[in-house]
Formats: sequence, C-alpha cells, structure tokens
Amino acid sequence: DARVTQTPRDKVTEMGQEVTMRCQPILGHNTVFWYRQTMMQGLELLAYFRNRAPLDDSGMPKDRFSAEMPDATLATLKIQPSEPRDSAVYFCASAPSRGALETQYFGPGTRLLVL
Amino acid sequence: DQQVKQNSPSLSVQEGRISILNCDYTNSMFDYFLWYKKYPAEGPTFLISISSIKDKNEDGRFTVFLNKSAKHLSLHIVPSQPGDSAVYFCAASAGNNRKLIWGLGTSLAVNP
Repeated sequence: DARVTQTPRDKVTEMGQEVTMRCQPILGHNTVFWYRQTMMQGLELLAYFRNRAPLDDSGMPKDRFSAEMPDATLATLKIQPSEPRDSAVYFCASAPSRGALETQYFGPGTRLLVL
Repeated sequence: DQQVKQNSPSLSVQEGRISILNCDYTNSMFDYFLWYKKYPAEGPTFLISISSIKDKNEDGRFTVFLNKSAKHLSLHIVPSQPGDSAVYFCAASAGNNRKLIWGLGTSLAVNP
C-alpha cells in the first residue's frame, strides 16, 4: 500500500527555533508538492518539485522558508526562524509522471505550533 | 481574493439521501476541476475530476457537474452514507504549470 509519509506528525516549538519537516513521496512519483493549510487561507501551495528540481516556490516566504529534495526519496521544508504565524498543518503530496498532475497523493501532514 | 469559492462551510444530510456540494470559480481560464475528500488527521484524497470539455463525470455514487457559463460545479453523492462524512475540497487548475487553486472546503455530515 504505497503512501506518502511525513515526519514529524506534530511539532511544538518556540518562536525563533528552526523547524524541519520531512516527506517521503510514493516511490516512482517524480513531482512533489508542499502545501500549508490554515483556517483562513485553506490549502496554499508553497512549492513544488519535478525530478528533484524546484519548479515553483512563489508561494513560499523566501526569507525564512526553504524547500529541497536531497534525493528522490526525501523532500524537506525548513523554517528558520519560526514565527507564531507559521502555525498550521503542512502537507506534502506527490504525483506520478503519467496522468493528470492534479491527481495528487497527500501525506497525513505535520501539525506545527509555534509558541 | 478567492478564485475558488465554497460558500457553504458545512452541510448535514440524512443517510440515503442526496448530498450536493457546490463550488464557484472566478477564473475563466480554469480548465480542470477536482474534488478531494479529507478525513480528520489525514491528508486530502482525490475523489473525482472533470475537464472543461465535459459537463458531467460519474464514478459510482459520485457525480460532478460543470456549468461553465455560470462558472459553477457541484458534487452529487447518491446515496449518502455515514462514511462520506468528511471535508470536501473543490480545486481547479489552468495554464502550463497546472497549479491547483483550492476552495476552503465544505464539511459534510451524513447522519444515520
């Protein structure tokens, strides 16, 4: 049963600390997305990669957020320094190379609380 | 400015009846529309999609209708089951980058 995994599932940290979220896409999927979900904004696309290359990170605050794919099995999203307004659920999703790019497979999310 | 709008935050339906979830969009360039379902503490899962060249797509109990002139789509669930209780997101895409633009979701409760 192939699925996207994310760690940690929950993270509580203090303002100013670095936060790293990790995602393992489904094996063979070549496109990886990072989303943030808040009550007010819903699901926002932060960044996405195809074949490990960043294609679009226009939704990501550049001064504190960074996203990378060190290899095909790992995507990371870092926030440094974190702020209370970053509190949200962060989802990773992956999509296969064939079929509609919009049919995405989501991980369970990382729930982040910045105090 | 929400380009994809789900104006009903919640909906309650009796088991066995029809559930109708609505979605409006403002960008006439959108050419592909999807519905995702989300249970608590899980990520969204793809449910059904429709291309702008069609006005209806059916998959079992789920049917999506698209009215391009009204910039409106709807998801029909017939018959509704308690396991359908979830948050339903409408999403749309356009252009070469195929980025999904999401609505805020509608929470559906199907009562036994």
